[in-house]
Amino acid sequence: AQRVTQPEKLLSVFKGAPVELKCNYSYSGSPELFWYVQYSRQRLQLLLRHISRESIKGFTADLNKGETSFHLKKPFAQEEDSAMYYCALSGSRNAGNMLTFGGGTRLMVKP
Amino acid sequence: DTEVTQTPKHLVMGMTNKKSLKCEQHMGHRAMYWYKQKAKKPPELMFVYSYEKLSINESVPSRFSPECPNSSLLNLHLHALQPEDSALYLCASSQYTGIQPQHFGDGTRLSIL
Repeated sequence: AQRVTQPEKLLSVFKGAPVELKCNYSYSGSPELFWYVQYSRQRLQLLLRHISRESIKGFTADLNKGETSFHLKKPFAQEEDSAMYYCALSGSRNAGNMLTFGGGTRLMVKP
Repeated sequence: DTEVTQTPKHLVMGMTNKKSLKCEQHMGHRAMYWYKQKAKKPPELMFVYSYEKLSINESVPSRFSPECPNSSLLNLHLHALQPEDSALYLCASSQYTGIQPQHFGDGTRLSIL
């Protein structure tokens, strides 16, 4: 079974403060991890994936297999980062690509 | 065209009605998905289609019937739904069914009276 846990439902920070959104997973195989973001009144969209190892909108995430974590970080939060963030794990089953989402963390960046 | 388009955006139906949700993509993706999202909850996978064939059914009740007429279209036929089926229904697509990022539509907000 694959499972994703985001322990914080709400994270509130001030503009310019560092941000870390936590994600832990359980999966018996080799996982592919993603962060998806949903801004107000917009569709769910991919923010980044672990194999890309890139920074998108100043966000980075490192896969830590020892701790089974994939935390999302940004050194200086901006107001436009306020959104719902979902960590997701992709695993294969029956030739299908199953994406399992964590419960989501709402990030609020205050001015 | 880099979007997944879902119609209608909103649907209100009675428990005895039959309706269909539609999803379309023109990105050449060969995998398509239906998710159900309740308020303040993450999306939950319902069905996966790979090369127009159903590959995963997450124990979804038979009152939901998916159909993939071709590689660009995905339908979800609804019949005899229950009030607890009210939710946002999301369609997504990915290039293949291997581990690929998924592109989501805006969803259809369904209300069952």
